Amino acid sequence: AQSVSQHNHHVILSEAASLELGCNYSYGGTVNLFWYVQYPGQHLQLLLKYFSGDPLVKGIKGFEAEFIKSKFSFNLRKPSVQWSDTAEYFCAVNARNSGNTPLVFGKGTRLSVIA
Amino acid sequence: GAVVSQHPSRVICKSGTSVKIECRSLDFQATTMFWYRQFPKKSLMLMATSNEGSKATYEQGVEKDKFLINHASLTLSTLTVTSAHPEDSSFYICSARTWTSDNEQFFGPGTRLTVL
Repeated sequence: AQSVSQHNHHVILSEAASLELGCNYSYGGTVNLFWYVQYPGQHLQLLLKYFSGDPLVKGIKGFEAEFIKSKFSFNLRKPSVQWSDTAEYFCAVNARNSGNTPLVFGKGTRLSVIA
Repeated sequence: GAVVSQHPSRVICKSGTSVKIECRSLDFQATTMFWYRQFPKKSLMLMATSNEGSKATYEQGVEKDKFLINHASLTLSTLTVTSAHPEDSSFYICSARTWTSDNEQFFGPGTRLTVL
């Protein structure tokens, strides 16, 4: 079974600071990797996903993530955060080529961006 | 596209009553739907997976007789919390996938259940 670890529970940054949120997964096989964002009072939205190919994936709103297979990591980055990036961020994984395997989520990282 | 709705968004009920939560895929056919439960400051915990027309597959530790899931059509799944108790109070989120969604899951806005 897959598992996901997000090491940072709550991150507080000033506007324009750079962001990196850690995500590590545990699974012996090939995986698909996702980052979802949940803005206050809203539902989960997909930021970006990695299935194969270029390990550096670009998503919406200036976010990107890099898959490092040797480290089982898929960290999320943004060079300059804005106040509107305040939200909860979830890393998720599922096993590739295994039919309808659901997404397994990390515990989430709350990002607070202050002016 | 790929919009998932849930109804109701909030529900308050008395202990011992049953509550039904609906999940609909508005603009696509959901071959698979998932039900998650989100605890405060914690992750989404998968409760069950359901394929249209089949019985749901429940995760370990989730009582299938308490959380009844029906996926009768390609656009509708329901979760019924039977004989609800205060410990069932939580945020319930459904998610849907279609055969063309390339493993991506689309999420509903969630339903806040409070059992008094």
